[in-house]
Amino acid sequence: GEDVEQSLFLSVREGDSSVINCTYTDSSSTYLYWYKQEPGAGLQLLTYIFSNMDMKQDQRLTVLLNKKDKHLSLRIADTQTGDSAIYFCAEASWGSSNTGKLIFGQGTTLQVKP
Amino acid sequence: KAGVTQTPRYLIKTRGQQVTLSCSPISGHRSVSWYQQTPGQGLQFLFEYFSETQRNKGNFPGRFSGRQFSNSRSEMNVSTLELGDSALYLCASSLVGDTEAFFGQGTRLTVV
Repeated sequence: GEDVEQSLFLSVREGDSSVINCTYTDSSSTYLYWYKQEPGAGLQLLTYIFSNMDMKQDQRLTVLLNKKDKHLSLRIADTQTGDSAIYFCAEASWGSSNTGKLIFGQGTTLQVKP
Repeated sequence: KAGVTQTPRYLIKTRGQQVTLSCSPISGHRSVSWYQQTPGQGLQFLFEYFSETQRNKGNFPGRFSGRQFSNSRSEMNVSTLELGDSALYLCASSLVGDTEAFFGQGTRLTVV
């Protein structure tokens, strides 16, 4: 079945790196996403990785994918107080019979201490 | 380029009433998906529309319905509201229903 798991909370100091982890169960996943949600706001797409990739880097963000273990991580370098938010991992198995549907994890609350 | 616009931002309704929420996707995007976000269940997929047709549906009762217009704008309707329908309803738009999905700010529905 489809399931995405994340740890619920992470606390780091400003300037440190943050690593948020996610595991998924659907081996047919084609895309894996990271979204950020600030209080009272919608979801902001941070980055995504195609399932045939191992790594993707985008400025301070690095996504690592271990397909064998179905493990995805998001590393935020030089974490700032503005990075405090809830981070959601999501997976999608796009296909003619499964469009537009993302399966989300529970979200990881990132707390950045000054 | 304007983002995804959801209206209204906040709604308070009484049990038993019905409600209609609106979503205007990013210009050129033809796929609109709807999600319900609650503290207990997290983010759950409601349905997806493309070219005025519902292509995919989540596990929600028939009280939840939607439609899409020829300009890709979408509405969702919840009839006979229950207290448990209180949630943040988010809509996402994408070009054709895959790759990048961009979310709106959501509509916060409170049922009293």
